[in-house]
Amino acid sequence: KQEVTQIPAALSVPEGENLVLNCSFTDSAIYNLQWFRQDPGKGLTSLLLIQSSQREQTSGRLNASLDKSSGRSTLYIAASQPGDSATYLCAARRANNDMRFGAGTRLTVKP
Amino acid sequence: NAGVMQNPRHLVRRRGQEARLRCSPMKGHSHVYWYRQLPEEGLKFMVYLQKENIIDESGMPKERFSAEFPKEGPSILRIQQVVRGDSAAYFCASSPPKGGGEDTQYFGPGTRLTVL
Repeated sequence: KQEVTQIPAALSVPEGENLVLNCSFTDSAIYNLQWFRQDPGKGLTSLLLIQSSQREQTSGRLNASLDKSSGRSTLYIAASQPGDSATYLCAARRANNDMRFGAGTRLTVKP
Repeated sequence: NAGVMQNPRHLVRRRGQEARLRCSPMKGHSHVYWYRQLPEEGLKFMVYLQKENIIDESGMPKERFSAEFPKEGPSILRIQQVVRGDSAAYFCASSPPKGGGEDTQYFGPGTRLTVL
């Protein structure tokens, strides 16, 4: 059974800092791994999707990496801004479309 | 192309009542997924449906919960005789019919169910 863990559960940083969010999964037989952003009381916004054959994906100030063998993914946010404050969720997906989510990292970027 | 739509956005029910949550997938999408998010927790998979078929309901509670995705109309998640523990945000996602793990799931805004 796939278990997805995110560390830390909460993170507070000053504006401008670079930061790394961590995601680990127990079953390396994933099809892809996806990072989402969730604002309070809102739905999910997809940020980056990494296929199992890929090592990383980049979009603007965001970079996500994937190491299947160690069961880890990281989301790197460069030059953080207050608007980046949200909960970040990672989800590991198997070929049968089953997605398992972590509990999320609640990020606060202070001006 | 409108995104995934869910209604109502907020639903309040008293214990013992029924809750019906609706999800309209993105245009052209024939796969629908339901997830539940309890406070301070991540999303938990409930059920995966295609038109008129339940593909995987391994995450659905055995009692009181049911889901359908008819040939016409939205997908419905139905909770009978709600209890306070059913209070959560319920998210729907859809993906296109090509299938396979390559396809991104697009999420709706969620329905927040509160059971009094």
